[in-house]
Amino acid sequence: EPEVTQTPSHQVTQMGQEVILRCVPISNHLYFYWYRQILGQKVEFLVSFYNNEISEKSEIFDDQFSVERPDGSNFTLKIRSTKLEDSAMYFCASTGTGGSAGELFFGEGSRLTVL
Amino acid sequence: GQSLEQPSEVTAVEGAIVQINCTYQTSGFYGLSWYQQHDGGAPTFLSYNALDGLEETGRFSSFLSRSDSYGYLLLQELQMKDSASYFCAVRDDGDSNYQLIWGAGTKLIIKP
Repeated sequence: EPEVTQTPSHQVTQMGQEVILRCVPISNHLYFYWYRQILGQKVEFLVSFYNNEISEKSEIFDDQFSVERPDGSNFTLKIRSTKLEDSAMYFCASTGTGGSAGELFFGEGSRLTVL
Repeated sequence: GQSLEQPSEVTAVEGAIVQINCTYQTSGFYGLSWYQQHDGGAPTFLSYNALDGLEETGRFSSFLSRSDSYGYLLLQELQMKDSASYFCAVRDDGDSNYQLIWGAGTKLIIKP
């Protein structure tokens, strides 16, 4: 069964360092998302991406964050200068329909720990 | 503001039935989804309601009342593996076309 894959599964970094989280969405999907979840809290929307550009972004997704689809398969989230409060699980998700199905397919997540 | 309210924790017995409620207040409404998340795992899709009524998928059912801005997830014949957090999420077609707005999650604890 097709699945969303994410790397790394866990990354530890020093505050102020740049981090890139990678995702390979399901191959025929068109809409891509990044969410984050601070330990024990709810899932929070960061950004959605369609047709090679950002469709929506939340207040969390400030200038320190960027997303890119450098080729036909990868979808990356970059945090330029990490802060302690960026420590969270980051989930990538994709969907084929975007506007109607209500179902997002999530990867297993990348746990980011900022020291 | 936009918000979804669901109980923080529910406890039930193996084999029983449990209902997890969700009320929402959003600028628009396109549909209500339910996701299951085991500790340390990814959210996995359970159901989606765009219209009023009950949708059944095996042991799980989901209900929506758009006039009441309310929905619930019903889990029957509870099994220990159903112990997880359950999130309701709204697809808001108002200001945000592509994001899901999530509730804080309900931790379901199942006792033998």
